[in-house]
Amino acid sequence: GESVGLHLPTLSVQEGDNSIINCAYSNSASDYFIWYKQESGKGPQFIIDIRSNMDKRQGQRVTVLLNKTVKHLSLQIAATQPGDSAVYFCAEMVRNAGNMLTFGGGTRLMVKP
Amino acid sequence: GAGVSQSPRYKVAKRGQDVALRCDPISGHVSLFWYQQALGQGPEFLTYFQNEAQLDKSGLPSDRFFAERPEGSVSTLKIQRTQQEDSAVYLCASSPPGGIYGYTFGSGTRLTVV
Repeated sequence: GESVGLHLPTLSVQEGDNSIINCAYSNSASDYFIWYKQESGKGPQFIIDIRSNMDKRQGQRVTVLLNKTVKHLSLQIAATQPGDSAVYFCAEMVRNAGNMLTFGGGTRLMVKP
Repeated sequence: GAGVSQSPRYKVAKRGQDVALRCDPISGHVSLFWYQQALGQGPEFLTYFQNEAQLDKSGLPSDRFFAERPEGSVSTLKIQRTQQEDSAVYLCASSPPGGIYGYTFGSGTRLTVV
């Protein structure tokens, strides 16, 4: 099938290891951030979000860290599984200014069984 | 419906042909967005509707691109006189009243211009 991320940076991890995917965002006015997972032939799927008044948020097996000083986001996936293999994008938004998302360049995560 | 539905899933157009891409948002979702995703890149914003009003079309790359949502539900993205650089996946997203939570994407339409 078609590939979303032919030319994206790739992170290759062993099943069961933890994964860390990093993202630099561009707009210091952004106040809401989302991590998306995108599999081939599908649209972006919401994973976890964080507002700018927080620096850490945890979900099930995922954690997002936000460092506003250096405009950096990271997504940590615990106990990575083969089903986590996909392209991951961070996205930023200025809420109540149209709510359109600006996406980062994406990282392909490959999980080796 | 349960999700955002886009049709067709794939479209091959000859250069110069006009195309129309359809988006059915989640029922009750007020906001609707179109994004363009080139191969190997993240989606890029094209345009935004709140109900039937097109509030932002700053991302449309040229006047060949036109979007409408006449009854505040289904939206159509039309591309006139398609060019090879228009080849991409066109994604639609919708969100409920209040904006940002529940922002849901469709699976997209892959447009290939030959």
